[in-house]
Amino acid sequence: DGGITQSPKYLFRKEGQNVTLSCEQNLNHDAMYWYRQDPGQGLRLIYYSQIVNDFQKGDIAEGYSVSREKKESFPLTVTSAQKNPTAFYLCASSIFFEPISSYNEQFFGPGTRLTVL
Amino acid sequence: AQKVTQAQTEISVVEKEDVTLDCVYETRDTTYYLFWYKQPPSGELVFLIRRNSFDEQNEISGRYSWNFQKSTSSFNFTITASQVVDSAVYFCALFHTGGGNKLTFGTGTQLKVEL
Repeated sequence: DGGITQSPKYLFRKEGQNVTLSCEQNLNHDAMYWYRQDPGQGLRLIYYSQIVNDFQKGDIAEGYSVSREKKESFPLTVTSAQKNPTAFYLCASSIFFEPISSYNEQFFGPGTRLTVL
Repeated sequence: AQKVTQAQTEISVVEKEDVTLDCVYETRDTTYYLFWYKQPPSGELVFLIRRNSFDEQNEISGRYSWNFQKSTSSFNFTITASQVVDSAVYFCALFHTGGGNKLTFGTGTQLKVEL
């Protein structure tokens, strides 16, 4: 089945540790995205990647890092510099980054819930 | 700047009632797209509908309907004869063609449908 997988579903981290969240897609999509969701808030964009070996900061990139070495993979590292990392993290992908056609829906993964102890 | 406002934080209804979720957006662009997503308790976002700025026709899909009005910058979502399975958080989102495929989300409306 085609789709987006995120692992793990739940992640616990001690303060001062870096953790990496996995995101894999087999939809052959060029573009991938990371969002953060906090209670009572909408999704906020952390990083996005238009194509392999390229990525750009979103609205709240501080304390996070990403890589895009393969088309199907876009891991997110939450570093110790992120002051309030406890949140729900969603990965998404779309066919293209630019809305060339009228339909450029973003497909979302099941999410990873990160808790800092 | 792009902005999406969902003023209703939480709505509770009894099963079979109709319910409307409001969405008001702000954008300076003439070409843009509006979306509704559903987030059930499992957490994954489920795509419901996309509408472009040039198509103001209302749409109906089963018990779901959407009312897009550019004059009031609104894109409201109505569920007819609500069911318990409709309980979820619903997000309205906007993106404009001038800024790549980046979505701006509202803060979401928690819908609770009770028996």
